[in-house]
Amino acid sequence: DVKVTQSSRYLVKRTGEKVFLECVQDMDHENMFWYRQDPGLGLRLIYFSYDVKMKEKGDIPEGYSVSREKKERFSLILESASTNQTSMYLCASSQIRDGDSNQPQHFGDGTRLSIL
Amino acid sequence: QKEVEQDPGPLSVPEGAIVSLNCTYSNSAFQYFMWYRQYSRKGPELLMYTYSSGNKEDGRFTAQVDKSSKYISLFIRDSQPSDSATYLCAMSAKAGTALIFGKGTTLSVSS
Repeated sequence: DVKVTQSSRYLVKRTGEKVFLECVQDMDHENMFWYRQDPGLGLRLIYFSYDVKMKEKGDIPEGYSVSREKKERFSLILESASTNQTSMYLCASSQIRDGDSNQPQHFGDGTRLSIL
Repeated sequence: QKEVEQDPGPLSVPEGAIVSLNCTYSNSAFQYFMWYRQYSRKGPELLMYTYSSGNKEDGRFTAQVDKSSKYISLFIRDSQPSDSATYLCAMSAKAGTALIFGKGTTLSVSS
């Protein structure tokens, strides 16, 4: 089974701090994704990566950056945390195949981040 | 019009009922369709995956895709209290790309 591990389940930080959220997958997947999930808004894509050292902006990248130095690890960085970044953060990974062989995204258990 | 519409519920049913969950979408290019189940304080868990149109069955779960109507469904037979969760539909146009999610339907199955 695919295992996506997020380093922290719960995190409390202060406004203005630089925050690092870590994600590791054990299936050698090329693609990795960061989403945030908020009540009434659903899951929204922040950033994604198709390969090492490669990144693409999602729908809501403002205030965030990412790092992918190794294939199995994808980090989300809040450059200067603000209260509106309090949310559930979800990491996912997937493997590209054509058609019915495509491997859909598998998610970690999320990091519930509170910014005070 | 939002790309993916999903009735948020909540939906409450007695144990043993048949449950129907649905999503509609507007982008005719979508061809990869997924259903995820999310328990409270956990990440989404892949439940069903369908490529293009048709039906797929896995135990008590059946996923249907009707691309002509831009409509997907998840049926749960003989529902159990352990099925109580939020169900998210998700879809994409190309393999491996970011998914577009519905907002989720909260289901409660009472014993």
